[in-house]
Amino acid sequence: GESVGLHLPTLSVQEGDNSIINCAYSNSASDYFIWYKQESGKGPQFIIDIRSNMDKRQGQRVTVLLNKTVKHLSLQIAATQPGDSAVYFCAENTDSNYKLTFGKGTLLTVNP
Amino acid sequence: DVKVTQSSRYLVKRTGEKVFLECVQDMDHENMFWYRQDPGLGLRLIYFSYDVKMKEKGDIPEGYSVSREKKERFSLILESASTNQTSMYLCASTDREQETQYFGPGTRLLVL
Repeated sequence: GESVGLHLPTLSVQEGDNSIINCAYSNSASDYFIWYKQESGKGPQFIIDIRSNMDKRQGQRVTVLLNKTVKHLSLQIAATQPGDSAVYFCAENTDSNYKLTFGKGTLLTVNP
Repeated sequence: DVKVTQSSRYLVKRTGEKVFLECVQDMDHENMFWYRQDPGLGLRLIYFSYDVKMKEKGDIPEGYSVSREKKERFSLILESASTNQTSMYLCASTDREQETQYFGPGTRLLVL
């Protein structure tokens, strides 16, 4: 059978509900974090970022929360729409050459 | 808007062929990156470049080489394609002032 590692964590929500996607990052020295959205067959698209001197940042319908104590990042999407269906993954910058370390991602499915 | 383009969306090649993947960005970014993306493994860095004619190995450089002759163009080369190089290849760029990486649409390569 398939390896468990091939299956992404999945979040299924109803249209109009709020979604919360979580990410545990690895390095306590990371000072910059990004959320990306990747639709099927497309490249990752920047959604929102946050620096380590902040604990919350808001965009249009999206909010990123950073908890440095437990090395946790979350993405909140308000009033989720079918067009929000995609894989969402976080990234952290731990390198001065602007290299990013990416999470594996969460598949968000929005049911009409 | 940042625009990163990749020369092909889909490619089918035979084992042993030499394969060129081209990436062009129009934002005068210094840093460019090549990743491959596989189910369950996420994004893995192959090579990156922080200036013309400069290159650095990423996490999985074996079987690949790169070329950066002009600032806007970063090429990934598979000297002798193998079936385990079947993957989605993503190019990204960023400048020295930002840390957000902007991605191209991806090239899905199938090696038979």
